[in-house]
Amino acid sequence: QKEVEQDPGPLSVPEGAIVSLNCTYSNSAFQYFMWYRQYSRKGPELLMYTYSSGNKEDGRFTAQVDKSSKYISLFIRDSQPSDSATYLCAMEAAGNKLTFGGGTRVLVKP
Amino acid sequence: EAGVAQSPRYKIIEKRQSVAFWCNPISGHATLYWYQQILGQGPKLLIQFQNNGVVDDSQLPKDRFSAERLKGVDSTLKIQPAKLEDSAVYLCASSPRVPGDSPLHFGNGTRLTVT
Repeated sequence: QKEVEQDPGPLSVPEGAIVSLNCTYSNSAFQYFMWYRQYSRKGPELLMYTYSSGNKEDGRFTAQVDKSSKYISLFIRDSQPSDSATYLCAMEAAGNKLTFGGGTRVLVKP
Repeated sequence: EAGVAQSPRYKIIEKRQSVAFWCNPISGHATLYWYQQILGQGPKLLIQFQNNGVVDDSQLPKDRFSAERLKGVDSTLKIQPAKLEDSAVYLCASSPRVPGDSPLHFGNGTRLTVT
């Protein structure tokens, strides 16, 4: 079993829909949770960064962390074609290396 | 703020040849990482530097991969000799503080094809 599991997709939605992404993990020591967006032929760019459980909102993006269930989510409201990319979850225990999920490919159709 | 710079962007070599990648992190960032991203997968950490010292190289195939960070700034990653399974994107990332305390900033990577 991988330490971080993420559905590879692709996830195809119409423009304006809500995109729902999630990751599960097995390491209870993870404390820092991140979502990165990666466009084709580009490096990952940080979208959301949260510490421990709870919700965080930034514009159209909402990140949720449920440490009791070892489950994190990213929601994208009012999705745009420019949101088409691969979304990577990543997590880290204190003082340890960042562990990435395999990424979910998202396609927002106009 | 200038981002993480990497070169070259693309490299094609034959198996058993050697190759080197270069990374210039964001100014002032103490921590530097090299990741390998195989097509369709998430990045996998190869090596992590704190200033010019190695923090973690547990997943670096040391029989063929080597990396150094001179004067705690630029870094090079070398593969010698290359194998077909080394075909991947090699990403460099940096962060300003100690691991676990700040997110990573990535460069656009070097896409390596080994034929």
